[in-house]
Amino acid sequence: GNSVTQMEGPVTLSEEAFLTINCTYTATGYPSLFWYVQYPGEGLQLLLKATKADDKGSNKGFEATYRKETTSFHLEKGSVQVSDSAVYFCALGTVGNEKLTFGTGTRLTIIP
Amino acid sequence: DVKVTQSSRYLVKRTGEKVFLECVQDMDHENMFWYRQDPGLGLRLIYFSYDVKMKEKGDIPEGYSVSREKKERFSLILESASTNQTSMYLCASSPAGTGGTDTQYFGPGTRLTVL
Repeated sequence: GNSVTQMEGPVTLSEEAFLTINCTYTATGYPSLFWYVQYPGEGLQLLLKATKADDKGSNKGFEATYRKETTSFHLEKGSVQVSDSAVYFCALGTVGNEKLTFGTGTRLTIIP
Repeated sequence: DVKVTQSSRYLVKRTGEKVFLECVQDMDHENMFWYRQDPGLGLRLIYFSYDVKMKEKGDIPEGYSVSREKKERFSLILESASTNQTSMYLCASSPAGTGGTDTQYFGPGTRLTVL
């Protein structure tokens, strides 16, 4: 079956630090990969996605590259801001299955 | 602007009460989902509906039921609330036919406390 393993948190960084949140997956077939973000008091919203190997998704300064050889989709940002404090979820979906499989989430706190 | 709304942001109920959580989407999506979110466990799928009156059990359906009488509305029902159902409940929707390749759109969540 499908599964997503995400870097455990919480993660605390200083403003302008480099961010990496690791995500690896197991899937049958060729999954699409997603990063969702949940800001305090809100629901999840899509941050970025990639639908095939070697695709790079990017949004708001965040990037993630779909690596089929290492079954990974790590989230990176070069210089984080206080406003990036949130919970980040890695997820995957596969063709023919309308449901997504989510990781457990990583809480990120950025201190000024 | 696409929107998924949930009837309450915060709800406090007593053990044994029947609880209704409502979700409405305005995107004409076929698929709707109910998740619960707990610290350390991430999102777990309770039920999924792919059309009016159609439903499918998710990973943790025990103690819950659902209703989808209209395309835009998906209700989660706790027949007899228990303290272990205290959680954040999230509703989501997505268009059909794209499999797991399309975005799910989430509501703001309902934080339910069962005393």
